[in-house]
Amino acid sequence: DIQMTQSPSSLSASIGDRITITCRASQGIRNYLAWFQQKPGTAPKSLIYAASSLQDGVPSKFSGSGSGTDFTLTISSLQPEDFATYYCQQYSSYPFTFGGGTKVAIK
Amino acid sequence: QVHLVQSGAEVQKPGASVRVSCKTSGFIFTDHAMHWVRQAPGQSLEWMGWINAGDGRTKYSQAFQGRLTITRDTSASTLYMDLSSLTSEDTAVYYCARGIWVRGPGTYYFASWGQGTLVTVSS
Repeated sequence: DIQMTQSPSSLSASIGDRITITCRASQGIRNYLAWFQQKPGTAPKSLIYAASSLQDGVPSKFSGSGSGTDFTLTISSLQPEDFATYYCQQYSSYPFTFGGGTKVAIK
Repeated sequence: QVHLVQSGAEVQKPGASVRVSCKTSGFIFTDHAMHWVRQAPGQSLEWMGWINAGDGRTKYSQAFQGRLTITRDTSASTLYMDLSSLTSEDTAVYYCARGIWVRGPGTYYFASWGQGTLVTVSS
């Protein structure tokens, strides 16, 4: 199975900050990577697929990049609604696997 | 608008089975593969398997082989997940998700999610 490693596991940031979350795959997955946002007690929300393509309705302050084994999710100008846990996931091969999550908290 | 509405919370005893349903609307059900993903308390997400809602083909994670059955009712645009031989390790929130086909690897990415169903396994 492909292992997905996210870093950091948590971070504190202020309103208006720009943050970057990293996801590394244990083997090359081309660009078959997705990002999700999850708030406590709610279902994940799909943000990005194909490493950099925004899902419908996702604001452009979210951006993704990377290919192969190293990927990033960037959120520009953090707003209160962005404080959540973010997960990456590979869909290059079965079984699909997820990163351990990055919790973004208010500083 | 796409909606995935799951059945309510379940409490089951060890060794029992559970069925969770996911009623869909707002898209052509039979044009998609529907997935199940679960999340144990405080943990990350774990993919379980999918069903091609059109022809009924399924693919399961090896972690659930023999215990997991995914079915669908095309007339009701509804997806089902049956998990048997439950243990406390199966206590989790179970999510259905709509998959979008990706030609290259022959897999799917997730576009929409149900609200989740908490399954608690306790004696």
